[in-house]
Amino acid sequence: SQELEQSPQSLIVQEGKNLTINCTSSKTLYGLYWYKQKYGEGLIFLMMLQKGGEEKSHEKITAKLDEKKQQSSLHITASQPSHAGIYLCGADGGANNLFFGTGTRLTVIP
Amino acid sequence: DTAVSQTPKYLVTQMGNDKSIKCEQNLGHDTMYWYKQDSKKFLKIMFSYNNKELIINETVPNRFSPKSPDKAHLNLHINSLELGDSAVYFCASSRRSGGEQFFGPGTRLTVL
Repeated sequence: SQELEQSPQSLIVQEGKNLTINCTSSKTLYGLYWYKQKYGEGLIFLMMLQKGGEEKSHEKITAKLDEKKQQSSLHITASQPSHAGIYLCGADGGANNLFFGTGTRLTVIP
Repeated sequence: DTAVSQTPKYLVTQMGNDKSIKCEQNLGHDTMYWYKQDSKKFLKIMFSYNNKELIINETVPNRFSPKSPDKAHLNLHINSLELGDSAVYFCASSRRSGGEQFFGPGTRLTVL
């Protein structure tokens, strides 16, 4: 079965610093989703990537999918306390049933 | 207006009881889902459902059953609750299979 590994599991950064979260799949991805979960709340959709080499940006968050479609990275530029939360990558396991990585807990220190 | 809503937000109950969690979406989506997030924050699909097809994750015990009175609702019914059922349950919906999913705020279930 396909698995998604995220790294790091947790990340503590100073406000204003850049950071990267990685998501690696054991198989080719046919749709990679990034979500953010604030502590104790639901998931907020960030971006979806489908094509090898694709890159998308929203405000200060950029996500890329590598050419082989087995690895994605999420990059945050000039992090802010509002970026804190759990970042989850998810992949389409068929019939749009998403399965998720273990998550990366991001803490941003003011 | 809330896109995907769940009730209750918190549910505390005794082992052996039967309980339901309700989910409603006002987005006009065709497909709805239930996910379980365990204590380690690992999120797993339980069911996906549209008006034609119910897809069940084979690891889900048959004590769990989704019930859809109409396209906008997918409720989760759980029989004979066990301690291990304690988790946060998320409902989600999408316009079509393969589309972006919108998640509800989650229901924290605690079984004592």
